[in-house]
Amino acid sequence: QVQLQQSGPGLVKPSQTLSLTCAISGDSVSNNRAAWNWIRQSPSRGLEWLTRTYYRSNWYNDYAVSVKSRVTINVDTSKNQFSLQLNSVTPEDTAVYYCARQIATAGTYYLDYWGQGTLVTVSS
Amino acid sequence: SALTQPASVSGSPGQPITISCTGTSSDVGGYKYVSWYQQHPGKAPELIIYDVSHRPSGVPDRFSGSQSGNTASLTISGLQAEDEADYYCSSFTTNWVFGGGTKLTVL
Repeated sequence: QVQLQQSGPGLVKPSQTLSLTCAISGDSVSNNRAAWNWIRQSPSRGLEWLTRTYYRSNWYNDYAVSVKSRVTINVDTSKNQFSLQLNSVTPEDTAVYYCARQIATAGTYYLDYWGQGTLVTVSS
Repeated sequence: SALTQPASVSGSPGQPITISCTGTSSDVGGYKYVSWYQQHPGKAPELIIYDVSHRPSGVPDRFSGSQSGNTASLTISGLQAEDEADYYCSSFTTNWVFGGGTKLTVL
């Protein structure tokens, strides 16, 4: 059974950096049939995909246009986890942040396991 | 949101309901990668349908999905009280796009 355990602060000051980590159990971050995503949810924006990382002989990252200039996704294979950094946050970045596993093989794509969610509030 | 869903639907126990999800030929209509997620308050979304009409193991067979053109649909054939939740559709193209969500009320 795959489990994704999120960690990170729930309060970030404006202009600072939001940092979250997603620890994986029951799978490997290097699984070449999976991709590892960050998605956020807020009342104003609904569910919004942010970024993804995946391994296909090399590591690849994709980013949503809306946050591309501010977002970084990293992998720590030794700890089997991946992380999100979002720079220069504003109150509009207040949301529940989720990590999620994506099955990504030819002919099928879906998000089958999600982390528990982390409410991140941007406020001074 | 990129995909359009009704804000709310309701039904009585045992009745069927359908939730629509309308996109464009660039997402829903162009790919067979529509999935549906159920979300109870305070919980993470859970996958209930993938690739338009496939059910993951453990999802009751009263949940079904279909697609016609740019519109996908989720049908619950016989509502149960525990089905009261928010439902989201999504489409994978090169990235994920989501619907705005539909609140299902079981009367």
